[in-house]
Amino acid sequence: VQLVESGGGLVQPGGSLRLSCAASGFAFSDHYMDWVRQAPGKGLEWVGRSRNRANSYTTEYVASVKGRFTVSRDNSKNFLYLQMTSLRTEDTAVYYCARGVPYVGFDDWGQGTLVTVSS
Amino acid sequence: DIQMTQSPSTLSASVGDRVTITCRASQSLGNWLAWYQQKPEKAPKLLLYQASSLQSGVPSRFSGSGSGTEFTLTINSLQPDDFATYYCQQCDSYPCTFGPGTKVHIK
Repeated sequence: VQLVESGGGLVQPGGSLRLSCAASGFAFSDHYMDWVRQAPGKGLEWVGRSRNRANSYTTEYVASVKGRFTVSRDNSKNFLYLQMTSLRTEDTAVYYCARGVPYVGFDDWGQGTLVTVSS
Repeated sequence: DIQMTQSPSTLSASVGDRVTITCRASQSLGNWLAWYQQKPEKAPKLLLYQASSLQSGVPSRFSGSGSGTEFTLTINSLQPDDFATYYCQQCDSYPCTFGPGTKVHIK
């Protein structure tokens, strides 16, 4: 299993950014996929989820990003995305993609990509 | 939302010590609880799931117990590689939530 994030960088408040996660080594469409973030020096915060094919790829979000962030996936290319809009300074964090296993947890993680929201 | 708390927030221990970390949930989780280890500048690593099941490849000195709202992670005979931050996590209901973490320092 390999998960590789990309797309992080510096963005101004109110701006947008799209993160990508390239997945390999497993049947991507059969798995839940999640985004988890970690602000500098802080703990882990779950951001959102895309369920698997059997669950119609439905999504869930934490309240603080609902309406601003969108989790999507391209199952033909084995990519997970996080579209982030109306970014705030408090969205500054390392963003990890992770493979979610129901009733287990996040059993594989990417290396993370840093998003900095600052003017 | 289900709130997760952990105690202690920091812990100083020596190699060979037995270490116990407690995680409490604001609502009953059944046994749906996971533990992660994170080292600086690295992604978290899943250690245990369903409160007490050891993830493949994780040393047997790690163990977990508990159900409902109170859970523990125990590290028997702490090794140099175990100095890290440990997080509990629930995904029994959305949003999935993590505890604030317990940092294990070298004494």
